[in-house]
This record gives sequence, C-alpha cells and structure tokens, in this order.
Amino acid sequence: EVQLVESGGGLIQPGGSLRLSCAASGFTFSGYWMHWVRQAPGKGLVWVSRINSDGSSTNYADSVKGRFTISRDNAKNALYLQMDSLRAEDTAVYYCALAYTVTTDSWGQGTLVTVSS
Amino acid sequence: QPVLTQSSSASASLGSSVKLTCTLSSGHSSSIIAWHQQQAGKAPRYLMKLEGSGNYNKGSGVPDRFSGSSFGADRYLTISNLQSEDEADYYCETWDSNAQVFGGGTKLTVL
Repeated sequence: EVQLVESGGGLIQPGGSLRLSCAASGFTFSGYWMHWVRQAPGKGLVWVSRINSDGSSTNYADSVKGRFTISRDNAKNALYLQMDSLRAEDTAVYYCALAYTVTTDSWGQGTLVTVSS
Repeated sequence: QPVLTQSSSASASLGSSVKLTCTLSSGHSSSIIAWHQQQAGKAPRYLMKLEGSGNYNKGSGVPDRFSGSSFGADRYLTISNLQSEDEADYYCETWDSNAQVFGGGTKLTVL
C-alpha cells in the first residue's frame, strides 16, 4: 500500500525558510515522478512543483519559482521542498503526491505551513 | 499551458445521479485528465484517469458508482446512486511539459 507522510510544517515568520519532507513507502520510489501541491485555507488545489524519478528534471509554478526548491533522496525514499523567502500567501496545507503516469495517483495527508508574524 | 474549467457547485438528491464537467482549454482537447475527490477536512483522493476516448482507469477501492466519459474538450465524472459520503469537492487535473494544472473544483452537495 502506498504511503506518503509529510512533515516539517509549522508557523514561520515572513521572509523565513522551512523545509518540508515526505517519507514514501509501499512502491518503488525511485521509479516515479513526485509532486508538491498546496491548498490555502478554504481554497482549491494548486500545483507547486514536480521532480522526475532521478531528480534531474524539475518544474515550478510561477508563484514559487526562485524561492522554492524540490529535491529527492531515492536512497532514503524521501521527497523534500525547501521553501525560502516565505510570504503570507504561501500559507497552506502542503501535500506530497505520487504520479505513476502523467497525473497524480496518490496523496499524502498534508502538512500545514502558516506564514505570519 | 492548459486551463481546466469546472462549475463551482452542483447538487443532486440522495440516490440520484450527477454528472460533473471539466472542460479543457483550446488546443488541449485530447489531453488525459485525472479526477480527485476531497471530502471536508480530508486529503484529496484519486478517483480515476480519463482519456479523450472516454476510456478511464479507476483507483483502488473507488466504487462502481463512479464512472467517466468524454466528449470533445469536455471530461465528465458521473456518480450514480448518490450517497451522503459523496458530498465533497471534486477536482480535475491535467499536465503539460512544464506544469501540472488543477481545475478550480466543483463543490457537490447531496440533498
């Protein structure tokens, strides 16, 4: 059974940094693309970033480009999102997601990031 | 980059059927999409992958009441014999070479 468990969320001041982690199990982690998707309070799902199976290719939403960095450690079955220069509008639940094919196939439970002074 | 358009809300009675629509923007009418369900306070759940041909592939444990179909740029999610637990937000998703894209979501109310 696929399991995706996010961690690292919390309260952070504007301009600060935070690193989210996602521990993956139940599938061959090194074989698939992975995504981060976020959801602001009361709003819809918004894609943030994705990374290919070996980490050599990444993409970002315009709203986070230059501030967020996605990475993975296939030896540890772990996905990361380094978030720098955080803004109030980055406040959201952040979901780790697995893509067996071109779209999302499985979701984690999410971790809440609150950017506030 | 593709754009996905969904109605903001829909409603239907318990035991009836409802058909939700996700429309792909111009130039992307043949794209594959995915449907996801998000019940209140929960993480999203993958429902199915839906091709332009109308072929669909459901996720593990998704009830038979859920089905997909396509016509042109429109992708449909049909839920038959509506249950109270089907009340949720439903999102469609697609992709291109640079990004994933989600629709704005449809809030389904079961009356």
